[in-house]
Amino acid sequence: SYVLTQPPSVSVAPGQTASITCGGNNIGSKNVHWYQQKPGQAPVLVVHDDGARPSGIPERISGSNSGNTATLTIGRVEAGDEAGYYCQVWDSNGDPPVFGGGTELTVL
Amino acid sequence: QVQLVQSGPEVKMPGSSMKVSCTASGGTFRTSPISWVRQAPRQGLEWMGVFIPNLGSPNYAQRFQGRLTYTADDSMTTVYMELTSLRSEDTAVYYCARARTGASWYFDLWGRGTLVAVSS
Repeated sequence: SYVLTQPPSVSVAPGQTASITCGGNNIGSKNVHWYQQKPGQAPVLVVHDDGARPSGIPERISGSNSGNTATLTIGRVEAGDEAGYYCQVWDSNGDPPVFGGGTELTVL
Repeated sequence: QVQLVQSGPEVKMPGSSMKVSCTASGGTFRTSPISWVRQAPRQGLEWMGVFIPNLGSPNYAQRFQGRLTYTADDSMTTVYMELTSLRSEDTAVYYCARARTGASWYFDLWGRGTLVAVSS
């Protein structure tokens, strides 16, 4: 089955930009979705289809996808962005949806 | 606006079964694919399967085949996930999530989760 690889942790100072990667074989040919999960809470969709933001998600959160890496970028990081972030793909070819292992974002 | 309301936490004995509900508050699931995703303590997200209530044809992840059953009530406002032959490794928070499609499928609405602990 398809494997998505994320770094376990990313640290960034407030006001800086955080980049969270999601690696997969030719992932650029797939559509990648991203979820934010704060402690004790359910995941929340923050980016779908590589770079589209649901209503209510700030513009400083963006996504890109090319080659073997998809990236979630969070600009002007705030303390409230501290959370786990998961990437996900779900092909229409009958394969099941797959989640990455998750990345814990720490705001220093 | 639809919200997904899940049933409360449970403690189960190994070998027993669990049945968790997910109710669409403010709407129905009639044509909405509903998935269950679980998260073991300090672990990532694991997809368990998907169910479209008005079609009644679930698709279960291979590792849960034979242990997992999805059903819905007649009004299609509540879906149920039953997992049998429980073992300690099934201890997790179980989320229901609505699937939506853009260029591909993703989960745009999640329940708050149901903690199920399997312990003797």
